[in-house]
Amino acid sequence: GNSVTQMEGPVTLSEEAFLTINCTYTATGYPSLFWYVQYPGEGLQLLLKATKADDKGSNKGFEATYRKETTSFHLEKGSVQVSDSAVYFCALSDRGRDDKIIFGKGTRLHILP
Amino acid sequence: DAGVIQSPRHEVTEMGQEVTLRCKPISGHNSLFWYRQTMMRGLELLIYFNNNVPIDDSGMPEDRFSAKMPNASFSTLKIQPSEPRDSAVYFCATTGESTEAFFGQGTRLTVV
Repeated sequence: GNSVTQMEGPVTLSEEAFLTINCTYTATGYPSLFWYVQYPGEGLQLLLKATKADDKGSNKGFEATYRKETTSFHLEKGSVQVSDSAVYFCALSDRGRDDKIIFGKGTRLHILP
Repeated sequence: DAGVIQSPRHEVTEMGQEVTLRCKPISGHNSLFWYRQTMMRGLELLIYFNNNVPIDDSGMPEDRFSAKMPNASFSTLKIQPSEPRDSAVYFCATTGESTEAFFGQGTRLTVV
């Protein structure tokens, strides 16, 4: 079945550092890929998405490129801020298969001032 | 639209009691998901509905858990009887035409 694997946290960085959170997926079809972010005490919210191979999703300085050849969707940001501290979830949805959204286990990010 | 609305936000109950969690989806969204989040197990899909019909309940942990969606604007997740290991944050999420999921604020359940 479909699955998502992302790097385990926590990840601790200093402010203005470069961020990469790795995500790889397994899917039989042509899924859409997502990154969601969860701030303390809140539900998940969409950060960015890509719906087909080679698409790049971007938002708030974060980027991720849908790489079909490596089945990856790594999240990157060039200069992180304290306010980026949160839990980040990689996810996929394959509407051609069913309506399920499959989430990774989440990566907790701490940014130190 | 106010987004996905869950109630209550917090619930503390004694072991053995019945607990009912509620979700009001975004109007027009036809898929609804119930998730459970814990530190140990992360985010688990319990059940999802499409057009009010349960499609996949394979994530429901045991018979103590049940979920209903009597109409397009309301869903419930019930635990009877509740146990301490059910303590978690329960999220409801919905999708419409877009594949993007919209989450509620969650219900933090504590069973003592």
